[in-house]
Amino acid sequence: EMRLVESGGGLIQLGRSLRLSCAAYEFIVRDNYINWVRRAPGKGLEWVAVIYGDDNTKYADTVQGRFTVSRDSSKNMVYLQMNNLRAGDTAAYYCARSEGIHDAFDVWGRGTLVAVSS
Amino acid sequence: IQLTQSPSLLSASVGDSVTITCRASQDIRTYLAWYQEKPGRAPKLLIYAATSVKLGVPPRFSGSGYGTEFTLTISSLQPEDFATYYCQQLSDFPLFGPGTKVDVK
Repeated sequence: EMRLVESGGGLIQLGRSLRLSCAAYEFIVRDNYINWVRRAPGKGLEWVAVIYGDDNTKYADTVQGRFTVSRDSSKNMVYLQMNNLRAGDTAAYYCARSEGIHDAFDVWGRGTLVAVSS
Repeated sequence: IQLTQSPSLLSASVGDSVTITCRASQDIRTYLAWYQEKPGRAPKLLIYAATSVKLGVPPRFSGSGYGTEFTLTISSLQPEDFATYYCQQLSDFPLFGPGTKVDVK
């Protein structure tokens, strides 16, 4: 069964950095689009970033320049490096798979919580 | 592209037929998906390409629409369907609608 497992969340101070990991099982990350989605407390879902193809990446305006998504194909894992964290980055972070740029997110991880404190 | 959903809150009873509407600010053809989210759990894909039901999703869930107006219908609400529902456009950068919470009347 295809699945994704996130890790790396926690309590982190304002302005610091954190790296989230996303491990994929029963499918190859290099052949798919791996997205990061977050949900802040009391808010809706927000798409954050995607990595696909030959390490192509795209980001939401709210994280552009602060977050970097990368991939280690040998480990079948994707990472989200989050720098200069803000209070507004506090959220549950999910990785999710899609098969193409216009395809829905059909496999989701259970999420990892990030809390940014002042 | 902007997405709106209505209503934002829908109170219903088991057995009711409920409909949620999602509107896009531009033509997105059928690049629309619907998700169900429950507290503490990952979102679950229900409908893709506006009208296709994901394998394993109960047939009481259906999607319709094209272009700028879409609907998600639950034909006979079950206890496990009380949740928040999001539409998502996939024509451009992925974007989720603001969500519709379906709660007990």
